[in-house]
Amino acid sequence: RKEVEQDPGPFNVPEGATVAFNCTYSNSASQSFFWYRQDCRKEPKLLMSVYSSGNEDGRFTAQLNRASQYISLLIRDSKLSDSATYLCVVNSWGDYKLSFGAGTTVTVRA
Amino acid sequence: DAGVIQSPRHEVTEMGQEVTLRCKPISGHNSLFWYRQTMMRGLELLIYFNNNVPIDDSGMPEDRFSAKMPNASFSTLKIQPSEPRDSAVYFCASSSGQGYTIYFGEGSWLTVV
Repeated sequence: RKEVEQDPGPFNVPEGATVAFNCTYSNSASQSFFWYRQDCRKEPKLLMSVYSSGNEDGRFTAQLNRASQYISLLIRDSKLSDSATYLCVVNSWGDYKLSFGAGTTVTVRA
Repeated sequence: DAGVIQSPRHEVTEMGQEVTLRCKPISGHNSLFWYRQTMMRGLELLIYFNNNVPIDDSGMPEDRFSAKMPNASFSTLKIQPSEPRDSAVYFCASSSGQGYTIYFGEGSWLTVV
């Protein structure tokens, strides 16, 4: 079983729609969680960290469910510029290795 | 502030040739990572350095791959001899410690023909 699993998508949504997707992780000792965004032919960039209580950053909301070992990302009022691959990243305390999911592709259409 | 700087951005080389990729991490970061990304395998960690010391090279595919970090501001990833299956994007990334955000360079796009 992979350490981090994501639905690859693609999620094709119209502008203005809400899209949400999850990521599951296998290591219950995981402590740090992130969402990275990767545009086509670009490097991954940090979108947001995920905190235990959940957090928002503008139109983006991240949630953590430790009991079920998953994190989620919700994008409200989708923009064309939100089209990208979203990578789920998990890290265990004291472990330098970040475990990357394979990514969820989102395409926002006009 | 300057981010992680990688060179070359693009390289096309013939099978059997030596390839050297270079990386300058963000100043003050003590952790450096080399990743490889392909469509088939996604992002793979090749090697991790902490304070210039290689901590884990278990992701290095085989003896043809080697990496060095002679000082805190420079690292190299070398492939010798290169093979077509080495074609991928190679990312260098750095962070200020365990559990902290890692920042990626723009990548080195390698094509071995």
